[in-house]
Amino acid sequence: TQLLEQSPQFLSIQEGENLTVYCNSSSVFSSLQWYRQEPGEGPVLLVTVVTGGEVKKLKRLTFQFGDARKDSSLHITAAQPGDTGLYLCAGNFYSGAGSYQLTFGKGTKLSVIP
Amino acid sequence: DAGITQSPRYKITETGRQVTLMCHQTWSHSYMFWYRQDLGHGLRLIYYSAAADITDKGEVPDGYVVSRSKTENFPLTLESATRSQTSVYFCASSVFGSGSYNEQFFGPGTRLTVL
Repeated sequence: TQLLEQSPQFLSIQEGENLTVYCNSSSVFSSLQWYRQEPGEGPVLLVTVVTGGEVKKLKRLTFQFGDARKDSSLHITAAQPGDTGLYLCAGNFYSGAGSYQLTFGKGTKLSVIP
Repeated sequence: DAGITQSPRYKITETGRQVTLMCHQTWSHSYMFWYRQDLGHGLRLIYYSAAADITDKGEVPDGYVVSRSKTENFPLTLESATRSQTSVYFCASSVFGSGSYNEQFFGPGTRLTVL
């Protein structure tokens, strides 16, 4: 079983502050994805990181994949109320018979207070 | 409009009843997935399908049945609903291939309550 531990579980910050969310595992993943979920909706893909050490930026969001492809982080600079939501990391792994599966972290619920 | 849809969006049923949740996608993605999302557990995979007539179990398949006779549809059936199956169910699809890494597109979810 591939497990992903996400921290913190909850995060409440003031508008303009910076924050980092962590996603850790003892397993190696072929790629790792970050999703954002709003209440009452399905998760929406933000980014995929594939190569160990890879860094991707999406406006004020910076995603990093660990060198060993076992962990990842999401850093938000100058958080805005619109960043509020549930952030999920998901590791992609080979499950056999030519198929891949995602295993999800339990999520980080972010609240940005104006 | 293209996308992935789920129906119904809300369902209340009683213990022991059979319930079918529908999922339809218009992208012709080969892979489709069913997840349940529960507080404290996050998203857990129930079943997935690599193509029409090809399905396989995920992490929590007990009590569920799936079928996939057409690429675009992937219904999930609870044969005899139990209270522990009260959850929010998400369907997703993805495409594999060069440059793709199992990026999944999710439907809006079905909130199921079993009384």
